[in-house]
Amino acid sequence: GQNIDQPTEMTATEGAIVQINCTYQTSGFNGLFWYQQHAGEAPTFLSYNVLDGLEEKGRFSSFLSRSKGYSYLLLKELQMKDSASYLCAVRDGNAGNMLTFGGGTRLMVKP
Amino acid sequence: EPEVTQTPSHQVTQMGQEVILRCVPISNHLYFYWYRQILGQKVEFLVSFYNNEISEKSEIFDDQFSVERPDGSNFTLKIRSTKLEDSAMYFCASSEWGGGTDTQYFGPGTRLTVL
Repeated sequence: GQNIDQPTEMTATEGAIVQINCTYQTSGFNGLFWYQQHAGEAPTFLSYNVLDGLEEKGRFSSFLSRSKGYSYLLLKELQMKDSASYLCAVRDGNAGNMLTFGGGTRLMVKP
Repeated sequence: EPEVTQTPSHQVTQMGQEVILRCVPISNHLYFYWYRQILGQKVEFLVSFYNNEISEKSEIFDDQFSVERPDGSNFTLKIRSTKLEDSAMYFCASSEWGGGTDTQYFGPGTRLTVL
């Protein structure tokens, strides 16, 4: 099975930078995804990492260390609309294409 | 930009009834998925579908559930004899080719309430 851990809640200030961590344990790692989910809405794809290192996409960056089973999502220049849940999901190559999601980190951005 | 669509957005049903949730995946995508999210809990994989057959399914996806691609565009999830604990948001997703950097794109979901 897989185990994916991320903090339940975080709070940050508008304009600041926030880092959301995710640790995972899986037997056949084949990619890690970050999704954003606003309350009552669908998960929206943010980023994908399969190799170690940093992937940057505008205000959002995601980092992966496969040896440590660790990823983080970095959000810069926070805006109020960034208040949402951020879901870490892992694909296990031994389990086809299914994604296993963490519980999500609810981020509150305050003025 | 192409999107996954789902109907209905809300479905209320009585315990023991059958429901069919409908999805139209992105048109050039070959892999289709159903996930569910019970209120306040994590997103859980149910089933994946490729080439007109189930690729993987989770322990949740028991004989109560079935999937079908009845035509070239729709992908359905049927839940027979619904139970109270089936109340959840059901998300359909699709992806282009199932490997490597392939990304799953989610539809807006169907909120199922079983009374």
